[in-house]
This record gives sequence, C-alpha cells and structure tokens, in this order.
Amino acid sequence: EAGVAQSPRYKIIEKRQSVAFWCNPISGHATLYWYQQILGQGPKLLIQFQNNGVVDDSQLPKDRFSAERLKGVDSTLKIQPAKLEDSAVYLCASSRGGLFTEAFFGQGTRLTVV
Amino acid sequence: QKEVEQNSGPLSVPEGAIASLNCTYSDRGSQSFFWYRQYSGKSPELIMSIYSNGDKEDGRFTAQLNKASQYVSLLIRDSQPSDSATYLCAVGRSNYQLIWGAGTKLIIKP
Repeated sequence: EAGVAQSPRYKIIEKRQSVAFWCNPISGHATLYWYQQILGQGPKLLIQFQNNGVVDDSQLPKDRFSAERLKGVDSTLKIQPAKLEDSAVYLCASSRGGLFTEAFFGQGTRLTVV
Repeated sequence: QKEVEQNSGPLSVPEGAIASLNCTYSDRGSQSFFWYRQYSGKSPELIMSIYSNGDKEDGRFTAQLNKASQYVSLLIRDSQPSDSATYLCAVGRSNYQLIWGAGTKLIIKP
C-alpha cells in the first residue's frame, strides 16, 4: 500500500511570495489533515477534511492560507503572501476516518521564507 | 492548561533500561490515544494505538491507558540507541479531532 505522498520536499521563497503544497493521501482514506510543525513543537492542525468537506479549519490563517481537497482525494495548501513566521514543516496526514483510526504522515515539505 | 501535556525532556535513559514516557489530557470524552515517534528531520511515525483502559503490548513497547486519571503512558523495554527520538502523544476526541502534545525528547545513552 502506497503511503501519503507530498511535494515538494523543500521550498525556499522570499516573503510576500506565494507557494503551494500538494498531498495525495493513502487510497481510500476519507480524512486528510494538514499540519504545520515548527522546530521543537508538536504538529499544529491547520485544516482537516472529511472526504471533500472541511471538518476543522479553526487554526488556519484564512487571510493568507487556503486549502482545497479535489474530489475528496488529493489536496493542495496555498500560502499567499508568505511571511517569515511561516517557515516550518508542512505535514499532510490521512486516516480511514472515524474515531479509532490512526493517522499516517507524508514526508512533509520544509518551507523556508527569507 | 494545555489539552495534551507531555514533559518536554530531554529524558535520558541508559541503554538496556526501561524508558517511561507520560502524557496527560484534559478532555474526558477522548476516545483514542496514539504514540508517534519522530526522528529529527523526519515525519511522525505511528508506533502504538490504544482505545481501552489497561495495557497493550507490541514487542518492546507497552502503552498504558487510565481514563479515570486521564493519562496515557508508553514504556520502552530494553532501550536501544535507535529509540532516541521525540515521542508525540496524540489524543482523538469525539469530534474526530486529533490533539497533539509537544513531544518528549528521549535520549538513550550507550
């Protein structure tokens, strides 16, 4: 079974530029998560999808971040315009859904904003 | 009070000893509990899940859950240098959210 695929692995951009990340979850997984992880901290949920609907986006900075999940499968996360404090690892994870299913992570995208 | 709390460490344990990692949570309605291991520069990797009170063993790992006291722990027996990593506790709430602790850094000394 293929794992969660993410691209790109690394990205360096200047502040005020835009950037997009892509995620393809494990086949059949209904729930997709985007997390931001800053060094030394636990993952911070940005947005959670159940199929193609949004379950939780309470911590997504909606003035600059947007996300969509096309046809309930793969997903993109966009930042526009980027700020220095957006430098972090962006992790995508997926699970089958429901209360008792485990989440599996992609390799992440390390974003550096200069 | 954070929703999921872990001691940030570092926790230093001699090779071959038992490493004990603890996690407390605030939401009594939490249903599922997970331990992830994260090596430096890598993504979190699921190592244990537990859903009911008591112990669950998998190889050298044992997860312990006490819902009355609202804590979950992870024991690593016969600790190896390769166990050195940050261990993240995640708690699944009834609304399908996963709440994460900040992680405990574990160092196994040869």
